[in-house]
Order: sequence, then structure tokens, then C-alpha cells
Amino acid sequence: DAGITQSPRHKVTETGTPVTLRCHQTENHRYMYWYRQDPGHGLRLIHYSYGVKDTDKGEVSDGYSVSRSKTEDFLLTLESATSSQTSVYFCAISVASMYEQYFGPGTRLTVT
Amino acid sequence: AQSVTQLDSQVPVFEEAPVELRCNYSSSVSVYLFWYVQYPNQGLQLLLKYLSGSTLVESINGFEAEFKKSETSFHLTKPSAHMSDAAEYFCAVSEGDYQLIWGAGTKLIIKP
Repeated sequence: DAGITQSPRHKVTETGTPVTLRCHQTENHRYMYWYRQDPGHGLRLIHYSYGVKDTDKGEVSDGYSVSRSKTEDFLLTLESATSSQTSVYFCAISVASMYEQYFGPGTRLTVT
Repeated sequence: AQSVTQLDSQVPVFEEAPVELRCNYSSSVSVYLFWYVQYPNQGLQLLLKYLSGSTLVESINGFEAEFKKSETSFHLTKPSAHMSDAAEYFCAVSEGDYQLIWGAGTKLIIKP
């Protein structure tokens, strides 16, 4: 157990509203990631962070922003949610020098 | 660019029959290889990994994977499938930069 929690676990929101998802870790890992998972697409990286205030884009970053003001928290924001952002969102951390990633339980987001 | 191919989107097998889930990758540098498992409505769990050393790696629940560099493959096998193995399996590759490149996933279906 890598001590990763995500909140909320489920959310339904309307098109055009802002949404923030939170990932919290308890073990001070440097690397954190946000993925989305959709049927037929596997896992796609949205954004990742390699330290406090250090973030970079992944392959599907359009429409998403992130922030990391503390080591333990990595926030994903949908500035104006669209139906195409309906998905399951996973947060992950990477253990230094080990390269594998450990995942949180996921957030199911529905945009109506 | 590096890529990971899981050719089979679904693999149906009878209970107690052998299982093979295929994973091939493309990379020109040394890689680290991983298999993850995702049970329905859950997050991804690390099943096994190859970082260095013995090219045959095992998991605690009877799965094995063999790294074959000449074939750029890391196929996942199990001699006898159980109903509890029904899940989606993802292959992932790292070139040592704390990014994982993901396969599209293979759904293992166990038939009684």
C-alpha cells in the first residue's frame, strides 16, 4: 500500500463547470501522475509532477491543469468540464530509483 | 518513439488451462518492464516487474513473465488459470525516466 488516496471517488457535474480532483500521498514520493482511463484507450497520461511546483504535460493535457504546492498533494483541475472528459481518473506515484508506479483507487467523473 | 503492443484485447481460456498474455515493445535502449492487473472497478496493482538480473520473474499468485531482449517481448504466463484471475492486464515499459509507456490492455476471461 503506497498510501495514496483520491477524492472525491465519484462525481457528477454539468458541462461548463470547473472540477478539481485531489490526490494525496503519505510517503513523500517525488513523482506523481494523473492518468485517465477510457475503454479502448488504456491509460493515458494527463500531467505529471517531479517535485513541488514542478509539473509537465502528458499526451492528453488539453483542458486540464495541475498544481502541486505540497509534496503530498497533486491537484487536477478541469477548468470547464466537457462530456469528453467523462472518464475514470487515476493518480499514481513513482518510487525513487524503482521506476514502477503505484496507483490510487480512482475517481469516476461523469460530465452531463 | 517507444511503444508497447498488447496484440490481444481479450483472451478467453478455460479454468485450469494455461494462460499466455503477450506483450511486445519497441525501444533502442535498456528498459524496465512491468505487468499490472486491474480487477473490475478497482485501481491498477503491480503484478510483477523486471528491472535487472534474472530474465524470468514471478508473482506471488503463480504468474510468470520472461524478458526476451532479442524478441523485445515480456509475455505473461500461468500454467493453470483460476476464476479469480479474471481481470484486465496491462504491460508497461520504462526507459528509466520515470515515465511508463502503456499497452492497451488484455482482458483475461476465464470460462468454467
